[in-house]
Amino acid sequence: DADVTQTPRNRITKTGKRIMLECSQTKGHDRMYWYRQDPGLGLRLIYYSFDVKDINKGEISDGYSVSRQAQAKFSLSLESAIPNQTALYFCATQGAGNTIYFGEGSWLTVV
Amino acid sequence: QKEVEQDPGPLSVPEGAIVSLNCTYSNSAFQYFMWYRQYSRKGPELLMYTYSSGNKEDGRFTAQVDKSSKYISLFIRDSQPSDSATYLCAMTQNYGGSQGNLIFGKGTKLSVKP
Repeated sequence: DADVTQTPRNRITKTGKRIMLECSQTKGHDRMYWYRQDPGLGLRLIYYSFDVKDINKGEISDGYSVSRQAQAKFSLSLESAIPNQTALYFCATQGAGNTIYFGEGSWLTVV
Repeated sequence: QKEVEQDPGPLSVPEGAIVSLNCTYSNSAFQYFMWYRQYSRKGPELLMYTYSSGNKEDGRFTAQVDKSSKYISLFIRDSQPSDSATYLCAMTQNYGGSQGNLIFGKGTKLSVKP
């Protein structure tokens, strides 16, 4: 089993719908991250969390919200999805030092 | 000027070639430099990690940092088809701190032809 698990792996949703991407990890790390990846734009940080009580905005947080339900769980929500939120989304955890461990990604298409 | 610049490629080489992947950056405070490898439809995984200037070797891979030129490189010797992936550079000025300050390059797509 993967150390960082994302669900769903693929999702198509309609404009205006609310959608949640879930992430769980078995690495025991406190720090968790949500990134999106777009062709030509690379990886961009949406939100990050140091622990259950600490949530921080990243570079592109507008239109997104997060919830850290437990040390092992960090979910990303799009309250009202729009087409330019079509992207590949990655959850990640931070281990010792600067090492980031990524999940396998969630492909989201907003039509 | 972007903080981190990386040629997106694509780069296509024959099997056995030496591959050179590069990033330039503008923030002289960066001290920790990483290379991630991302296979198609997978998440990035850490490949190499270096601190400050100098070289680091791991098997067929060598990471090189030239802080005076603000330039980092990843060399792959005897490239294999299994090396076909997108390679992302990443860098930060903090050790062990929040990776909210970790900056990624856009990635270079490499294809190694048999």
